[in-house]
Amino acid sequence: EPEVTQTPSHQVTQMGQEVILRCVPISNHLYFYWYRQILGQKVEFLVSFYNNEISEKSEIFDDQFSVERPDGSNFTLKIRSTKLEDSAMYFCASSQGLGGSTEAFFGQGTRLTVV
Amino acid sequence: DQQVKQNSPSLSVQEGRISILNCDYTNSMFDYFLWYKKYPAEGPTFLISISSIKDKNEDGRFTVFLNKSAKHLSLHIVPSQPGDSAVYFCAASANNNDMRFGAGTRLTVKP
Repeated sequence: EPEVTQTPSHQVTQMGQEVILRCVPISNHLYFYWYRQILGQKVEFLVSFYNNEISEKSEIFDDQFSVERPDGSNFTLKIRSTKLEDSAMYFCASSQGLGGSTEAFFGQGTRLTVV
Repeated sequence: DQQVKQNSPSLSVQEGRISILNCDYTNSMFDYFLWYKKYPAEGPTFLISISSIKDKNEDGRFTVFLNKSAKHLSLHIVPSQPGDSAVYFCAASANNNDMRFGAGTRLTVKP
């Protein structure tokens, strides 16, 4: 069964450092997403990506965040200068969208710990 | 941003009984609603969905009901099993776009 894969499963970084979280979406999916879940809180939408550009982003997704699909298979989330409050589980998801099945399939998540 | 609300943080049900998880939304543009199930240390997994043109969708033990006028949906699990114990998230999307999640309801099914 096709699945969304995320690497690494756990990332520890120092405050102020840049991190890149990597995702391989399901191959025939067209929409890609990043969500995050701070421990004990709700799953929050960060950004959606379609046709090589951001289609929507939340207020959380400020200038410190960027996304890229560098090679047609990977979908990355970069945080330029991490803050303590960026510590969370980051989930990548993909969906067929555009008239296809709209349910998104999630990866296992990357736990980001900023120290 | 409280467009999707799950007002019950937890629910405890006896095995074999019905579990009813509730969700309310405020954005009338939402046209597709989904329930996700999440185990600890895993990503959310899709459970069941419903389009705004329907009021009910059934898949085995899981049924989702949508009341558009009340902006309310619910997930029924009948009969509940201990393996159903997880956090259930309600989500909604508009025009095939990103989803907004509720805060989740932790379901515990007791043997």
